[in-house]
Amino acid sequence: EPEVTQTPSHQVTQMGQEVILRCVPISNHLYFYWYRQILGQKVEFLVSFYNNEISEKSEIFDDQFSVERPDGSNFTLKIRSTKLEDSAMYFCASGSGLWGPQYFGPGTRLTVL
Amino acid sequence: AQSVTQPDIHITVSEGASLELRCNYSYGATPYLFWYVQSPGQGLQLLLKYFSGDTLVQGIKGFEAEFKRSQSSFNLRKPSVHWSDAAEYFCAVGFNNAGNMLTFGGGTRLMVKP
Repeated sequence: EPEVTQTPSHQVTQMGQEVILRCVPISNHLYFYWYRQILGQKVEFLVSFYNNEISEKSEIFDDQFSVERPDGSNFTLKIRSTKLEDSAMYFCASGSGLWGPQYFGPGTRLTVL
Repeated sequence: AQSVTQPDIHITVSEGASLELRCNYSYGATPYLFWYVQSPGQGLQLLLKYFSGDTLVQGIKGFEAEFKRSQSSFNLRKPSVHWSDAAEYFCAVGFNNAGNMLTFGGGTRLMVKP
């Protein structure tokens, strides 16, 4: 069964550094998402991406964040200058239709020191 | 503003007992409804979904959920719990006026006693 994959599984970085989180969505999916879950808190929507552009973004997704689909298979989330409060589990998801189910990857745990 | 509530943070049931996990949402129209399960170290696995039609939906692993419009609820049920069902369960809701983002409840951690 096709799966969403994410790398790395765990990333540790220093405050102020740039990080790129990588995702490989399910191959025939057209909608891509990033969510995050700060420890002990709810899963929160960050951004959705369709047809090579952002379709929705939350208040969390400020100028420090960007997404890209650099080729036909990868979907990345970049945080330009990490802050302590960016420490969280970041989930990538993909879906085949606008309101079809979203399928999630295993997550990348980001720790900012 | 739209919101999703899972009133029970932790639930413990005995193996073989029935299970009901509660989910309530706040929204004026019928949303899109999902249940996900997260085992330790794993991602979020889709259990079932409701878009329209029959209000009782069947999912994987023997789970079902019932949409009750009058109560704004979408509770997850299983008639007989197995030890492998121990995990965290998340209700997620899509609202028509909020693009295609999902709003998640806080999760319910299920523990299963032998």
